[in-house]
Amino acid sequence: AQSVSQHNHHVILSEAASLELGCNYSYGGTVNLFWYVQYPGQHLQLLLKYFSGDPLVKGIKGFEAEFIKSKFSFNLRKPSVQWSDTAEYFCAVRYSGAGSYQLTFGKGTKLSVIP
Amino acid sequence: NAGVTQTPKFRVLKTGQSMTLLCAQDMNHEYMYWYRQDPGMGLRLIHYSVGEGTTAKGEVPDGYNVSRLKKQNFLLGLESAAPSQTSVYFCASSYSLTGLSYEQYFGPGTRLTVT
Repeated sequence: AQSVSQHNHHVILSEAASLELGCNYSYGGTVNLFWYVQYPGQHLQLLLKYFSGDPLVKGIKGFEAEFIKSKFSFNLRKPSVQWSDTAEYFCAVRYSGAGSYQLTFGKGTKLSVIP
Repeated sequence: NAGVTQTPKFRVLKTGQSMTLLCAQDMNHEYMYWYRQDPGMGLRLIHYSVGEGTTAKGEVPDGYNVSRLKKQNFLLGLESAAPSQTSVYFCASSYSLTGLSYEQYFGPGTRLTVT
């Protein structure tokens, strides 16, 4: 079965530290990739997405992600985190083929930013 | 536009009781989904719909039923609630024929407790 792996369950950083959250998927075909953020007590919101073209994607709030096809990865980065980035982050993949409207979500990485 | 809305926001049920969660979207999306979110489990797909009058099972469909009588609404029913169904339920929608985008838009969630 197709899957999405987020290796870090909980990341704790101090403000101004750099962030990189890992995301790997299992499929070798055409994929669309997404990062969602869920602030405490809120619903999931789209941070950024990759469909095609430049593998370096810029999203909202200073986040970016790089699609590395050879590594089946789509890692999320931010150069300098803020306390307000404390949230849970979900990577999601749309695999091409039958049922291709569905997204497969990773289990999420909780980010805690210490002031 | 309200986006995706869900009612109710909170509910407490006794074991064996039934209830219906309502999801509505005003983006003319073709696809709608119901997820449950549990700590450490990420998002798990319960049921989904690819169009009015059609529904299909997701990853964890047991104990739930759904209906999509109107394009904009997707109902999730629990016929006989069990404590294992205590969770946060999110509705999402995606894909308009004009937009050709597969990102999912999420509702604010329903926190359900079954005692």
